[in-house]
Amino acid sequence: EADIYQTPRYLVIGTGKKITLECSQTMGHDKMYWYQQDPGMELHLIHYSYGVNSTEKGDLSSESTVSRIRTEHFPLTLESARPSHTSQYLCASSELVRGYGYTFGSGTRLTVV
Amino acid sequence: GDSVTQMEGPVTLSEEAFLTINCTYTATGYPSLFWYVQYPGEGLQLLLKATKADDKGSNKGFEATYRKETTSFHLEKGSVQVSDSAVYFCALSITGTASKLTFGTGTRLQVML
Repeated sequence: EADIYQTPRYLVIGTGKKITLECSQTMGHDKMYWYQQDPGMELHLIHYSYGVNSTEKGDLSSESTVSRIRTEHFPLTLESARPSHTSQYLCASSELVRGYGYTFGSGTRLTVV
Repeated sequence: GDSVTQMEGPVTLSEEAFLTINCTYTATGYPSLFWYVQYPGEGLQLLLKATKADDKGSNKGFEATYRKETTSFHLEKGSVQVSDSAVYFCALSITGTASKLTFGTGTRLQVML
């Protein structure tokens, strides 16, 4: 079944640690996105990609980085986690077709202590 | 720029009540419109969509009609259930190489027995 997977679902980590949030999709979508969702529910686009070797920063400035070496894989990395990075991170993918919309993963809830 | 405005929540209803969540938009082009739903602890799921004026999207008893003249896409359901308790996001996209979804801020719905 075509889907999009995020791991881990929950992560508690200490300040200063390096972390990578994984996102993989089996639908062959070219476009992928990372959103940060604050406790007030609002979604903020932090990174997106149009395809392999393409990455762009989103509307909200983020200290995280992303890579797109394979179509199906779009990991997000924080080199040195801080408590201000505590949030829910959502990955999504889409086709470049009018009205297609996004398919979202289940999210990673990150807590930095 | 493109934007989506939806009514603030939380919206609290009794089971079997009628639901309306208002959504209006501004767009530079001819958008496709979406409603997403987020259940507790989950990512977003596409609920319904409409790609042209006067189209009605529907799913699971929810409906929304694309009204170009009023730039609106209000979500309605005739009889809500406790299981409908979630956060609902209205969104738009303009097709193109840089087409990204623009989300509203979300409306939390709580349905009580």
